[in-house]
Amino acid sequence: KAGVTQTPRYLIKTRGQQVTLSCSPISGHRSVSWYQQTPGQGLQFLFEYFSETQRNKGNFPGRFSGRQFSNSRSEMNVSTLELGDSALYLCASSSGLAGARTDTQYFGPGTRLTVL
Amino acid sequence: AQSVTQLDSHVSVSEGTPVLLRCNYSSSYSPSLFWYVQHPNKGLQLLLKYTSAATLVKGINGFEAEFKKSETSFHLTKPSAHMSDAAEYFCVVSEVRGFKTIFGAGTRLFVKA
Repeated sequence: KAGVTQTPRYLIKTRGQQVTLSCSPISGHRSVSWYQQTPGQGLQFLFEYFSETQRNKGNFPGRFSGRQFSNSRSEMNVSTLELGDSALYLCASSSGLAGARTDTQYFGPGTRLTVL
Repeated sequence: AQSVTQLDSHVSVSEGTPVLLRCNYSSSYSPSLFWYVQHPNKGLQLLLKYTSAATLVKGINGFEAEFKKSETSFHLTKPSAHMSDAAEYFCVVSEVRGFKTIFGAGTRLFVKA
């Protein structure tokens, strides 16, 4: 089975621009979660999508948004980029089944976003 | 509310000596607990997980962790460190209720030759 893939792997943008990151989950997985990783804040949960619906959301401003398509692929969008948005953005997929205490998240390699 | 505390931000060991990475958790419900490893510029890889079966959990690469409910701990151990173990390790707690996953701040493991 192919793993979680994320594109692009590296991205450089300037302040005020917007960016879209893509994540393709493991085949059969219906849940996709997004995380932001920075040296100062560590790994922070952004949001989770399950069957095209946002099921959970972290404490990030509305500039951060996402969506999930019918094939479970997910995109994350950040508008009006700020310097502080520079980070590694990780995507994780899981079965997402309700009540699945053994549900495990499998992570992609991440997208390194640099905002200049 | 759930939370995870990794008690050491950095741990340094010599190759061939034991590794102990400490993790305490707080959870209102019976949690699932995980350890992930992240090598530089890579994604996270699952080492092991606890989901209310055996309290001693064996993972990949010789790592294991013991769930101690009375101490609310889930420490990660390995009998003998290898240079390739140098990485950052994350303890993670997850509750079915709310589907929320919380990551610890991470422990960076250094292995000296």
